[in-house]
Amino acid sequence: EVQLVESGGGLVQPGRSLRLSCTASGFTFGDYAMSWFRQAPGKGLEWVGFIRSKAYGGTTEYAAPVKGRFTISRDDSKSIAYLQMSSLKTEDTAVYYCTRVVGNWFDPWGQGTLVTVSS
Amino acid sequence: QSALTQPASVSGSPGQSITISCTGTSSDVGSYNLVSWYQQHPGKAPKLMIYEGGKRPSGVSNRFSGSKSGNTASLTISGLQAEDEADYYCCSYAGSSTPVVFGGGTKLTVL
Repeated sequence: EVQLVESGGGLVQPGRSLRLSCTASGFTFGDYAMSWFRQAPGKGLEWVGFIRSKAYGGTTEYAAPVKGRFTISRDDSKSIAYLQMSSLKTEDTAVYYCTRVVGNWFDPWGQGTLVTVSS
Repeated sequence: QSALTQPASVSGSPGQSITISCTGTSSDVGSYNLVSWYQQHPGKAPKLMIYEGGKRPSGVSNRFSGSKSGNTASLTISGLQAEDEADYYCCSYAGSSTPVVFGGGTKLTVL
């Protein structure tokens, strides 16, 4: 069974950093791009960014609101994707989801991890 | 403001059919047959329902179908069931500079 499990969320002060992890199982992790999304309380889904597989250079793309502050990386030996978030703002408060990128769609999704940015 | 426009809410009675629209531009929905749809129940993770405009993943009911005309994609759910009550989001590829654009979501209420 393909499964994604996020971890690392919690309460963090504005301006600080936090790293989220997405642990994958049930598929050959290194063959796929991985993406992060977020959902602010009561709001819709927002794409955060993705990282391509090593076969496609392992390069990254980010949404404008997080570019320069967030960094996505991957460790194929551990089947983990990371989302390093820095200079956090209160508006970054959200549930963060990781997903596997299949073609140009996203499947499956993890259960999400809540990040709360507050003083 | 989301890049793709969806109605905030739609509703239907059990057994009926409903359609959710997703309007983009000639730079995203209109240029690529790469629209996907996601279902999200409250407090749950999103689930892929339709990809590449009209294809269904294994395990998704054939009551769900997708189509596109011009810059507007649509998700149709036939034979509405209570379990279909959820939020639905559309997503499209929009080119190398903005690879992913999403709709704001539509809340489906089964009356």
